[in-house]
Amino acid sequence: QQQVKQSPQSLIVQKGGISIINCAYENTAFDYFPWYQQFPGKGPALLIAIRPDVSEKKEGRFTISFNKSAKQFSLHIMDSQPGDSATYFCAASIRGSGNTGKLIFGQGTTLQVKP
Amino acid sequence: NAGVTQTPKFQVLKTGQSMTLQCAQDMNHNSMYWYRQDPGMGLRLIYYSASEGTTDKGEVPNGYNVSRLNKREFSLRLESAAPSQTSVYFCASRRDHDYNEQFFGPGTRLTVL
Repeated sequence: QQQVKQSPQSLIVQKGGISIINCAYENTAFDYFPWYQQFPGKGPALLIAIRPDVSEKKEGRFTISFNKSAKQFSLHIMDSQPGDSATYFCAASIRGSGNTGKLIFGQGTTLQVKP
Repeated sequence: NAGVTQTPKFQVLKTGQSMTLQCAQDMNHNSMYWYRQDPGMGLRLIYYSASEGTTDKGEVPNGYNVSRLNKREFSLRLESAAPSQTSVYFCASRRDHDYNEQFFGPGTRLTVL
């Protein structure tokens, strides 16, 4: 019940295209859903995050869509660029009282954007 | 402001050897975390420390110990390394319970032969 399942494992997109990565969770207590971006040889860095009281959050070319009833959320990268080539991780956490900040990560998606 | 730093960057051990991975943060964060990253498995939490003087187990604590030496430093120790502990290890920190973003270090790539 603590799992977060992420797909696809890898993704190849042409420059200018839309990249879509999906995640699903089981634990309805999760109430914070971040996406992390990781470049080769580096640590992950927060890209964008959403809380379940909204269905969508947009920051530049990056959008999170959230479907609470289906327990699914996705990352959309519009106008994908070669510089977006990286590994993307979704994650989930419980914020509330006694929040330890522990993140449950998905398996990761390696994105390659071809010029 | 260096953020989260980790040493060493790379390490090769033989089965049964011990070592300590070091982590330090200069952001005055309360919480610190150790993760391991393995292909196809994402990042899995090994141990965490919600504040100075406290530590607790994560998803995969077996074979590891931790020490929260002070507010800045959080070390991870492998007492008797095994090939299954070959992985990339990341340390992270978080400001406090009202602020969820975790800041990650650059990682330590460990190989156990």
